[in-house]
Amino acid sequence: QLQESGPGLVKPSGTLSLTCAVSGDSISSHNWWSWVRQPPGKGLEWIGEIYHSGITNYSPFFTSRVRLSVDRSNNQFSLDLNSVTAADTAVYYCTTNRPFGAFHIWGQGTVITVSS
Amino acid sequence: DIQMTQSPSSLSASVGDRVTITCRASQGIGTYLAWFQQKPGKAPQLLIYGASTLQSGVPTRFSGGGSGTDFTLTISSLQPEDVATYFCQKYDIVPKTFGQGTKVEV
Repeated sequence: QLQESGPGLVKPSGTLSLTCAVSGDSISSHNWWSWVRQPPGKGLEWIGEIYHSGITNYSPFFTSRVRLSVDRSNNQFSLDLNSVTAADTAVYYCTTNRPFGAFHIWGQGTVITVSS
Repeated sequence: DIQMTQSPSSLSASVGDRVTITCRASQGIGTYLAWFQQKPGKAPQLLIYGASTLQSGVPTRFSGGGSGTDFTLTISSLQPEDVATYFCQKYDIVPKTFGQGTKVEV
């Protein structure tokens, strides 16, 4: 299972930080761990992924202001997105896939609003 | 980057109808194509992976086909509980792009 946690509200120009807690599996298993977001009334956007070794891949749309990290001791991974604007208001999901596999497990999502 | 285009963007059909959604990749992706179902207020759920393999627990009225650039998701007999938005996604290489979604109404 995956469970997202975050602040709910972030101020414009600030940094959005989210954590995804992994249960029932080890963050060090042979999975990739991803973040996906969905702005209100819109489609799904893949943000990036991380492997337990720290290898990351980012969407070109986010690469200049996103950082993913893994916390093996707490079996979780995290997202930092800086310089946020109202356009970053969305539901943020964490998800996972086996190598060359599809996203087979999703968190329930966490709502993030960017507003002053 | 490879773009994923779904059609139609929405459709309305009757219970029992056969429904087909199309997803087109701007370049070939083999069979690295997944379909997800998303109901309002819920996280997406994996329906099909490898373009045509049904995820465990998914009703057999759902099926997928295609390879390369053209893919389909078919619901053989539409049920009321199939009201949802359906997304395709490529997962061959990054970025793992989604289609824009198809909203299905009954």
